[in-house]
Amino acid sequence: EVQLVESGGGLVQPGGSLRLSCVASGFTFSNYWMNWVRQAPGKGLEWVANINQDGREKYYVDSVKGRFTISRDNAMNSLYLQMNSLRSEDTAVYYCVRDGVAPGVYFDSWGQGTLVTVSS
Amino acid sequence: DIQMTQSPSTLSASVGDRVTITCRASQSISTWLAWYQQKPGKAPKLLIYKASSLESGVPSRFSGSGSGTEFTLTISSLQPGDFATYYCQQYNSHSHLTFGGGTKVEIK
Repeated sequence: EVQLVESGGGLVQPGGSLRLSCVASGFTFSNYWMNWVRQAPGKGLEWVANINQDGREKYYVDSVKGRFTISRDNAMNSLYLQMNSLRSEDTAVYYCVRDGVAPGVYFDSWGQGTLVTVSS
Repeated sequence: DIQMTQSPSTLSASVGDRVTITCRASQSISTWLAWYQQKPGKAPKLLIYKASSLESGVPSRFSGSGSGTEFTLTISSLQPGDFATYYCQQYNSHSHLTFGGGTKVEIK
C-alpha cells in the first residue's frame, strides 16, 4: 500500500522559514516524479512544485519561485520542501503527492497533509 | 498559463440523480485531464485520468469524457458517499499544472 506521510508544518511568522518533509513507503520512490500541492483554508487546490526521479529537474508555480526549494533523498525515500520568506498567502495545507503510473502528470497518491500557518 | 474553468461551482442534487460537471481549458490540452473527489478534511482522491480512464477501484458510475478544451465528469446515479467537491486538473506538461476552481455537490 502506498503511504505518504508529511511533517514539519506549524505556525511561522511572515518572513520566516519552514521545511516540510514527506516519507514514502509501499512503492519504489526513486521511480516516480513527486509533487507538493497546497490548499488554502476554504479554497481550491494549487500545485506548488515537482521534482523528477533523480532530482535534477524541478518546476515551481510562479508565486513561490525564488522562495521555495523542492528536493528529495531517494536513499531515505523522502521528499522535502524548503520554504523561505513566507507570506500570509502561503498559509495552507501542504500535500505530498505522487505522479500517476500512466504517462502524464496526474496525481494518484496523496498524503494526509500538513498545515502551514503564516501569521504574526 | 492554461486556465481551467469548472461549472457549476455548486450543484444541488438528490440520491439517484445523474450529475454532470464541466471543465473548460483556456487552450487545447488534448486529453491530458484528471478528475479528483475531495471530502471535507480529507486529501483528494483520483477518479479519472487521461480524460476518460477510470482509476482502479473507482466505481463505474463515474465517467469522464472530452478532448481539446471541453471535458465532463458524469456520475450516473449519485450515491450518499458522492456528496463532495470535485476538481479537474490539466497536465499538459510537468512545468505548468493547474486545477479548476472546484464543484461542490450538495444534497438537495
